[in-house]
Amino acid sequence: AQSVTQLDSQVPVFEEAPVELRCNYSSSVSVYLFWYVQYPNQGLQLLLKYLSGSTLVKGINGFEAEFNKSQTSFHLRKPSVHISDTAEYFCAVSPDSGGGADGLTFGKGTHLIIQP
Amino acid sequence: DVKVTQSSRYLVKRTGEKVFLECVQDMDHENMFWYRQDPGLGLRLIYFSYDVKMKEKGDIPEGYSVSREKKERFSLILESASTNQTSMYLCASSLILWGIQPQHFGDGTRLSIL
Repeated sequence: AQSVTQLDSQVPVFEEAPVELRCNYSSSVSVYLFWYVQYPNQGLQLLLKYLSGSTLVKGINGFEAEFNKSQTSFHLRKPSVHISDTAEYFCAVSPDSGGGADGLTFGKGTHLIIQP
Repeated sequence: DVKVTQSSRYLVKRTGEKVFLECVQDMDHENMFWYRQDPGLGLRLIYFSYDVKMKEKGDIPEGYSVSREKKERFSLILESASTNQTSMYLCASSLILWGIQPQHFGDGTRLSIL
């Protein structure tokens, strides 16, 4: 079994400021890691994913995330946010093999609020 | 581009009604999923299907059933709707069951049970 913890339910930040959304996970096996974004009144879309290789992964809209195996973290960052980044962000983890209902586990989400 | 279409964006039903939520995907994906999304709880998996007529329970299947008669369509059924099933319901599909390939989501159905 695995679990995902998003430490902040809400993160307010001023426009053009940097932001970091935190995600920690626990798993007894190796994992793949994902960040999804949900804009108001829409479904989720993939922002970026870590499968293997370089621990720094770049996604859409200028976001990036760093996988830290020793700290079991996958924090999401953007150096300068825009009003259009206002959304709910979900961290998710999947075991790198096998399946079943334990496959993809989502965190509870972080609401990013951009203030002008 | 993958398109996952949920038949209704908003739905209002009464307690005790049988409710059908429909989802269609156009990318020939083997796997389809139903989640419910509630504030502060994130996404919770209700059921998933890895092939036509095949289904597996997720984390919270109680009070729900599903139907997958065709590959592109996955229906969620609330057998006798209750007020605690008021929620946002999200459908998703993926090429591979878990892992490398991401899930593609519909825009959601916001269901209110009165």
